[in-house]
Amino acid sequence: DQQVKQNSPSLSVQEGRISILNCDYTNSMFDYFLWYKKYPAEGPTFLISISSIKDKNEDGRFTVFLNKSAKHLSLHIVPSQPGDSAVYFCAATKGGGTSYGKLTFGQGTILTVHP
Amino acid sequence: DVKVTQSSRYLVKRTGEKVFLECVQDMDHENMFWYRQDPGLGLRLIYFSYDVKMKEKGDIPEGYSVSREKKERFSLILESASTNQTSMYLCASSWSGRARLYEQYFGPGTRLTVT
Repeated sequence: DQQVKQNSPSLSVQEGRISILNCDYTNSMFDYFLWYKKYPAEGPTFLISISSIKDKNEDGRFTVFLNKSAKHLSLHIVPSQPGDSAVYFCAATKGGGTSYGKLTFGQGTILTVHP
Repeated sequence: DVKVTQSSRYLVKRTGEKVFLECVQDMDHENMFWYRQDPGLGLRLIYFSYDVKMKEKGDIPEGYSVSREKKERFSLILESASTNQTSMYLCASSWSGRARLYEQYFGPGTRLTVT
């Protein structure tokens, strides 16, 4: 039962253009969402997050949008750079002390940015 | 900088062997996690720990156990390795403070092959 889904296994984009990575979730109890980036032979690194009380969060070239009614979030990278080529994971969690920060991850999307 | 280290980058074991994967973090994090990453399945949580000697099952605990005797160290144990446990294993840690609960810091991963 995949509660967090990234339905596009891969995405190819030209340098300078926008990259849009999508993520859907099924559990309405999730109230905090994160994006991680992973390079080969390295562990994932935190990129950006959003609380369910917001619908947008921006950090430099990265913006995350949350549509709670559709249970959908997206990560926009503008402009895309070759160094952004990596696997991107979407993750979600329920708030509250007993969650202990447990994250549920999606399957990942491989982003390739061509020079 | 937060550092999460894992004892081995690559490991090859035989079916039936007992396997220990070690993880150490240097930021006094309360929470520690073990995941496995498989193509098309993303990161799946095996076990996590929110305090010394405390452990909770994740989504796929079968065939694994864990140990947390010291705050900085979290071990994953494969009691009798099987070929379907061939995978990339990732350790992560996070704080327990409300404002920073959800951001997890990952180690570089251990690529385990069971033959």
